[in-house]
Amino acid sequence: GENVEQHPSTLSVQEGDSAVIKCTYSDSASNYFPWYKQELGKRPQLIIDIRSNVGEKKDQRIAVTLNKTAKHFSLHITETQPEDSAVYFCAATQGAQKLVFGQGTRLTINP
Amino acid sequence: NAGVTQTPKFQVLKTGQSMTLQCAQDMNHNSMYWYRQDPGMGLRLIYYSASEGTTDKGEVPNGYNVSRLNKREFSLRLESAAPSQTSVYFCASRKSAGGTDTQYFGPGTRLTVL
Repeated sequence: GENVEQHPSTLSVQEGDSAVIKCTYSDSASNYFPWYKQELGKRPQLIIDIRSNVGEKKDQRIAVTLNKTAKHFSLHITETQPEDSAVYFCAATQGAQKLVFGQGTRLTINP
Repeated sequence: NAGVTQTPKFQVLKTGQSMTLQCAQDMNHNSMYWYRQDPGMGLRLIYYSASEGTTDKGEVPNGYNVSRLNKREFSLRLESAAPSQTSVYFCASRKSAGGTDTQYFGPGTRLTVL
């Protein structure tokens, strides 16, 4: 089955700097890779996703890149702001129905 | 449009007690999921239902049962709760059937088993 590894587990950056979170996956058949943001005590919410036929996708300050050959994908947040502080999860599809999640990255933005 | 709703929000059980967590979605989605979230372990799939009338085991199904009551509702039952089942439980739904792969999550149920 699919295995998703996420690094780092914690990340602290200065406000205005960039943050990068990386994930690797094991199943070469995975074709959909979402990123979720979870604020303290709240539900996970989708912030960006990418399909396997695309190498990069950007939405304002957030971007995701995918390297299918190396089986890894990354979340990039530029010009970080205090409201970016949260736990971020990557995921990859397993079969037609399931998502397998990484362990999460706690991002802290220091003012 | 409420999206995905869950009840209750919080619950405290004693070891051996039973309870049912309720989940409903009003987005006409075909697939529904139950996850548990423990510190440092991400979201782990307990059971899922690809469509009304079907259910399948996920990564951590032991100690749980599910019922897909209709297209809107998917419940999770703990028959004899154990302290190891202390966790936050999230329900999610997905359109599937030619739609997006995106899963939408409910607000969660925080369960403590003493």
